[in-house]
Amino acid sequence: GQQLNQSPQSMFIQEGEDVSMNCTSSSIFNTWLWYKQDPGEGPVLLIALYKAGELTSNGRLTAQFGITRKDSFLNISASIPSDVGIYFCAGDERAGSYQLTFGKGTKLSVIP
Amino acid sequence: DGGITQSPKYLFRKEGQNVTLSCEQNLNHDAMYWYRQDPGQGLRLIYYSQIVNDFQKGDIAEGYSVSREKKESFPLTVTSAQKNPTAFYLCASSTNSGEKLFFGSGTQLSVL
Repeated sequence: GQQLNQSPQSMFIQEGEDVSMNCTSSSIFNTWLWYKQDPGEGPVLLIALYKAGELTSNGRLTAQFGITRKDSFLNISASIPSDVGIYFCAGDERAGSYQLTFGKGTKLSVIP
Repeated sequence: DGGITQSPKYLFRKEGQNVTLSCEQNLNHDAMYWYRQDPGQGLRLIYYSQIVNDFQKGDIAEGYSVSREKKESFPLTVTSAQKNPTAFYLCASSTNSGEKLFFGSGTQLSVL
C-alpha cells in the first residue's frame, strides 16, 4: 500500500521549546490526520485536515494540509512534559475508502 | 461515557492455538477496524467492516479472521496460521465517512 514518510523518527527537546514534525507522500491525499499515542494506549486524534492549505489549531498544536496535498506538518508550541509520546500522521487517498495510511511515527521526548 | 473497549489488555498464545481479541463500542459507529502495531512501525490494517454482517480484508489479513454480527462488536481471531502474532492490536471505529478513527486502548499479544 501507500507509504507515508514521517520525520523525524525521534526528537529530544527541552521543556518550553517548540516542535515541528512532518509527513510526505508520493500521492495526493484527501484528508490528513494527526494522532498522539501514549505508551501502551491507543492513538488519540489531535487534529483533522480536509482542504489543501488548511491551517488548524488545537490549543498549543497547529497542523497544516500542504498546498500540493502531498504533505502535512504538525507544530507544538511551548512543549511540556505531558507532550511526551509518539505522534502519527495518517492520510486518506480516496474519500470514504475506510483505509487510512499511517506514518511510522515521531517519538517525542521532553527534558524538564 | 461513549468509547471503545478492548479486552483483554494482555494475552498469551501457545503455539498452534487460536485466540480471540474482543472489541466493543458504544459510539453508535457504523464502521469498525483492526490494526496491528509493531515496535517502531506505523499501524497496518488487518480487517475493516463498514456495516453489520460485512467486512473486508486490509493489507495484512492472512492468518486472521473477524466477524461482525452486531453493530457494537467486532472480534478478531488470531489463528494458528499467523506465524508471527506478537504485536499490539488496536481496534477502532468511525462514522460512515471512514475518516476520523477512534481507537481502543489496545491488546498486547505475546507468544509463549
